[in-house]
Amino acid sequence: LAKTTQPISMDSYEGQEVNITCSHNNIATNDYITWYQQFPSQGPRFIIQGYKTKVTNEVASLFIPADRKSSTLSLPRVSLSDTAVYYCLVGVSTSGTYKYIFGTGTRLKVLA
Amino acid sequence: DGGITQSPKYLFRKEGQNVTLSCEQNLNHDAMYWYRQDPGQGLRLIYYSQIVNDFQKGDIAEGYSVSREKKESFPLTVTSAQKNPTAFYLCASSRDTINEKLFFGSGTQLSVL
Repeated sequence: LAKTTQPISMDSYEGQEVNITCSHNNIATNDYITWYQQFPSQGPRFIIQGYKTKVTNEVASLFIPADRKSSTLSLPRVSLSDTAVYYCLVGVSTSGTYKYIFGTGTRLKVLA
Repeated sequence: DGGITQSPKYLFRKEGQNVTLSCEQNLNHDAMYWYRQDPGQGLRLIYYSQIVNDFQKGDIAEGYSVSREKKESFPLTVTSAQKNPTAFYLCASSRDTINEKLFFGSGTQLSVL
């Protein structure tokens, strides 16, 4: 079963670049890696998804090495509003079904 | 405006009572999911459904039941067998099941009186 491991928490200052790494040693050949952001008392929100190399959108970049056993979410120039929990997600295929198991996530605190 | 709607936002359950949480989506998504989140913790999968009239147990299905009679609806019943139901419940949907984006509702906070 694919399982993700992330640091429990990170602190950063406004304006800095933040990199959050996720380990997914058992990722299946066809699986993508997806990152979500969650604020308190809200549902998680999609940030970015990738399969290999580098993906960039208007809010983040995702770096995936060739072996795909890890990935790094990069948030450029964070602000106080980026304080949230960030989840790395990989699907789990079992008995003909496919499901998404969340890990504990990384609690990012952005300081002024 | 497309989206996924959960109701109610807050729900209180008495001892021995069954309660049902509503989840409706108008995104025409095939797959739907229920997650439970305890304070300061990650999301745990309760049930998921890949298609109408079919659903599978997640990691913590005991004390819960679901139905998927319509594509747009996936209600979750918290039964009296669930001894510790106080949590934040999140419903999600995706277009398909594999490598798809999950769209989440705003959640239901369930508390025991």
